[in-house]
Amino acid sequence: KNEVEQSPQNLTAQEGEFITINCSYSVGISALHWLQQHPGGGIVSLFMLSSGKKKHGRLIATINIQEKHSSLHITASHPRDSAVYICAVTHYGGSQGNLIFGKGTKLSVKP
Amino acid sequence: DAGVIQSPRHEVTEMGQEVTLRCKPISGHNSLFWYRQTMMRGLELLIYFNNNVPIDDSGMPEDRFSAKMPNASFSTLKIQPSEPRDSAVYFCASSPTSGPGELFFGEGSRLTVL
Repeated sequence: KNEVEQSPQNLTAQEGEFITINCSYSVGISALHWLQQHPGGGIVSLFMLSSGKKKHGRLIATINIQEKHSSLHITASHPRDSAVYICAVTHYGGSQGNLIFGKGTKLSVKP
Repeated sequence: DAGVIQSPRHEVTEMGQEVTLRCKPISGHNSLFWYRQTMMRGLELLIYFNNNVPIDDSGMPEDRFSAKMPNASFSTLKIQPSEPRDSAVYFCASSPTSGPGELFFGEGSRLTVL
């Protein structure tokens, strides 16, 4: 079993829909990251969080430490949101950059 | 502000050749990371530097791989000799903190070893 599980693996939505991507992890963590990767492109860090909730524009990330679960929400989705979204955790006590990565959720938003 | 700069963006080489990938982190960032991304294994940490010192190189596959950070503004990842299984996208990232912090990634270097 992977230490970081994401669901769904693939997601197709219509423009304007509310989207939720889930991430569950099985290890103690000091931080959780949400990353975005466009096809053939680089990786952008969307959020780093260790508790509560963060919001940036149409993106919202939440984390529940007790349940070892995080969600990434996209409101009013747009075709430019089409990308792979990757959840990654910093294992508590592990070195900073030694992230445990999920396999990613491929999002496609249709106009 | 310039982000993390990687070069080359694309490299095609033949098996046995030496490959050098370069990274310039964001000025003022004191942590630098090299990651490798493949279809089979996803993203993996190769090595992590803090204040130019290698802290965690447990992800470096074998002796064919080496990484250096001679100063705060430059790092290299070298593969010698290269093999087809080294074909991947190599990402460099930097962070302004020594503890858990936001990561800033470069655009990646896509390596193809024939």
